[in-house]
Amino acid sequence: DIVMTQSPATLSVSPGERATLSCRASQSVNNKLAWYQQKPGRAPRLLIYDAVTRATGIPTRFSGSGSETEFTLTISSLQSEDFAVYYCHQYNNWPRGNTFGQGTKLDFK
Amino acid sequence: EVQLVESGGGVVPPGGSLRLSCAAPGFTFEEYAMHWVRQAPGRGLEWVALITRDGGSTFHADSVRGRFTISRDISRNFLYLQMNNLRVEDTALYYCANESEKVFGYWGQGTRVTVSS
Repeated sequence: DIVMTQSPATLSVSPGERATLSCRASQSVNNKLAWYQQKPGRAPRLLIYDAVTRATGIPTRFSGSGSETEFTLTISSLQSEDFAVYYCHQYNNWPRGNTFGQGTKLDFK
Repeated sequence: EVQLVESGGGVVPPGGSLRLSCAAPGFTFEEYAMHWVRQAPGRGLEWVALITRDGGSTFHADSVRGRFTISRDISRNFLYLQMNNLRVEDTALYYCANESEKVFGYWGQGTRVTVSS
């Protein structure tokens, strides 16, 4: 299976600042990379798919970039509701080989 | 808005069985492939199983193949996960999710499964 490694494990940022979250794949996943947001006690929410495409209703402050093995989720100006855990998900090997990263927790600085 | 509601979780001993259900009221259920994804306590997410739109094909993760079976009743808008020979490591929150663009578009709130003696 492709191993997805997210960094950092925890990122402390102040509201209004930019947050940059990284995700690295153990082998190329082309652009088959998604990002999800999960708040405590809630289900994950799809933010980005195909590495760069925002899902329906996702604010423009969320953007995805990258290809092959290196990907980034950028939140341009953090709002209070953005503090959560973020997971990357590769689906290049579909369906059995699709895997998630271990998550990056975004919390208040 | 899409609504998915899981049920059927509980506490079972190792070797036991459970059947999870996912209701999709008011959702064009038959238009989507459906999945189960689980999240073990304090851990990340793990894909469990997929069923195609018409139910004709199913896929299961290696960790559950031969023990879990995904199915769907299109006429009733229900998704199921039959879990047999449960292990302690199957303890998790189980989510159903629809597939959109090969990713998990909408998720339910989950149903908790605890395998413990």
